[in-house]
Amino acid sequence: AQKITQTQPGMFVQEKEAVTLDCTYDTSDPSYGLFWYKQPSSGEMIFLIYQGSYDQQNATEGRYSLNFQKARKSANLVISASQLGDSAMYFCAMRGPYNDYKLSFGAGTTVTVRA
Amino acid sequence: SQTIHQWPATLVQPVGSPLSLECTVEGTSNPNLYWYRQAAGRGLQLLFYSVGIGQISSEVPQNLSASRPQDRQFILSSKKLLLSDSGFYLCAWSGDRYGYTFGSGTRLTVV
Repeated sequence: AQKITQTQPGMFVQEKEAVTLDCTYDTSDPSYGLFWYKQPSSGEMIFLIYQGSYDQQNATEGRYSLNFQKARKSANLVISASQLGDSAMYFCAMRGPYNDYKLSFGAGTTVTVRA
Repeated sequence: SQTIHQWPATLVQPVGSPLSLECTVEGTSNPNLYWYRQAAGRGLQLLFYSVGIGQISSEVPQNLSASRPQDRQFILSSKKLLLSDSGFYLCAWSGDRYGYTFGSGTRLTVV
């Protein structure tokens, strides 16, 4: 069974600073995918970044980067140069191997950016 | 381009009433379809997923059911709603292992 753990229920960050959101996962499968989603107050789920278990390099997408430490089973999201619009809930999710396309989600972390 | 439509956006239903939430996908064929529920301030829980017409897998026992009458249509239903069915329901689709697209969600309040 797959399990995603996000231990930070809420975080405050100053505008223009970087913030790291923690995510650890548990799986016995060698092949899996890790995702981060942003959910603003409107409720929509916005895809941010993807990391495959066999990817050699950490994924980056603009101001988002994923700090993938496979041996520690962690996939932390780093948001650089925080903006007020980054205030939202952030979810880490994992997809299983091969033909298992289901996503399992963590409990989420609420980020509030202060001006 | 692919789009996903989900309606209604909000719904208030009395306990014991039926439910039907619809989700349709455009611009792709044979998508994997999913229904998730999110309790207030919590993560998403997978309720149902479908890999093809008429193929439904349930992840958790509950008061809800799902159907896929057409390739790009996914319906979430209940015959009699319970208070515990309140939540935010999200439909999603994926065409491969790397991308998932979510609908805008339905906020259901059972009173």
